[in-house]
Amino acid sequence: ILNVEQSPQSLHVQEGDSTNFTCSFPSSNFYALHWYRWETAKSPEALFVMTLNGDEKKKGRISATLNTKEGYSYLYIKGSQPEDSATYLCALNRDDKIIFGKGTRLHILP
Amino acid sequence: GAVVSQHPSRVICKSGTSVKIECRSLDFQATTMFWYRQFPKQSLMLMATSNEGSKATYEQGVEKDKFLINHASLTLSTLTVTSAHPEDSSFYICSAGLPGPRNTIYFGEGSWLTVV
Repeated sequence: ILNVEQSPQSLHVQEGDSTNFTCSFPSSNFYALHWYRWETAKSPEALFVMTLNGDEKKKGRISATLNTKEGYSYLYIKGSQPEDSATYLCALNRDDKIIFGKGTRLHILP
Repeated sequence: GAVVSQHPSRVICKSGTSVKIECRSLDFQATTMFWYRQFPKQSLMLMATSNEGSKATYEQGVEKDKFLINHASLTLSTLTVTSAHPEDSSFYICSAGLPGPRNTIYFGEGSWLTVV
């Protein structure tokens, strides 16, 4: 069974602080890793697609790294803002399917 | 704006009835769409892959006679939950676009189904 694990499940962060969370996945037959940001009552929004070991991608205050050999990816948020409150999903792309983790629910405290 | 539209966003139906959920790609033609289901505190679970002009491919454990998928055009896929039971109550969401390192997968807004 292919498992994509995300930790922590939930996270409370003070506004202005930086934070990060983890996505772990089986390292064999890796193809691509996706990060999505999902706000309540909206569609999941694609953040990054990562394919190469050592990849680092950045979009504004959000960045992500990828280690395919050890099977993990980190998502970093610098200087958290209230609008960052959302669930962050990672998903492993393998065999033309996307397998999702359960997500990390991020709450930004004012 | 949204590139994948899903309707209805919420639906309540009686046990034994059928309910249809639509997934439309607005800005592009989607030969492949995916249907997911999410139970509380669980991952998005792939139910089936919808292929335009051919039969859907169902994941193991998903009853194809219960969850009817029709992908009759390049912009529309429908999921019909037949003879619904309370245990079918869940969040259903579709996506369109082919998985791949250079491809973005677009999601609908999701549909909350409650069977009473």
